[in-house]
Amino acid sequence: AQKVTQAQTEISVVEKEDVTLDCVYETRDTTYYLFWYKQPPSGELVFLIRRNSFDEQNEISGRYSWNFQKSTSSFNFTITASQVVDSAVYFCALSAYSGNTPLVFGKGTRLSVIA
Amino acid sequence: DAGVIQSPRHEVTEMGQEVTLRCKPISGHDYLFWYRQTMMRGLELLIYFNNNVPIDDSGMPEDRFSAKMPNASFSTLKIQPSEPRDSAVYFCASSLAPAETYEQYFGPGTRLTVT
Repeated sequence: AQKVTQAQTEISVVEKEDVTLDCVYETRDTTYYLFWYKQPPSGELVFLIRRNSFDEQNEISGRYSWNFQKSTSSFNFTITASQVVDSAVYFCALSAYSGNTPLVFGKGTRLSVIA
Repeated sequence: DAGVIQSPRHEVTEMGQEVTLRCKPISGHDYLFWYRQTMMRGLELLIYFNNNVPIDDSGMPEDRFSAKMPNASFSTLKIQPSEPRDSAVYFCASSLAPAETYEQYFGPGTRLTVT
């Protein structure tokens, strides 16, 4: 069975601080996808990134970066120089690589960035 | 493209009433997913379709829930009779193969409140 654990329920940081959101996953599949979604207070789910299990290169997009480590089954998300607009709930998710299969979500981490 | 469209955005109903949630996937997408988000259980899959055929409905909580996809551009999720514990946000998502570009596009969600 697949499982995603986001151990941090809530995180609060002061604006301009860096913050890392942890994600640990379990799967018996040898290939799979990992995702991060953002859910702002307005409630929609915003896609941030998809990562294939065979691509362990870290990725950076502006202030966002992702660290994928297959050896520890982790896919952590770092926001550099956080801003108030980053306040949201962030979800890590996992799916099979066969494509078009359901996402298994973690419980989410609520990030509050204080001005 | 208009994205995934869900209606209504908000629904308030009394216990025992029938509730119908609607979803229009992105044109050309052949997979459609229904998820439910609650505080206790987080985001969980209810059912998903491929080419209008239900593939996995193991997440449907009980017989009070039913989902249909009569054509490629429309799906419904029906709850009859509704109960207060059905109060949640219901998301519809759609996707399209191939796996290399796999992404699920989420609708804005329907917030259901059963009193």
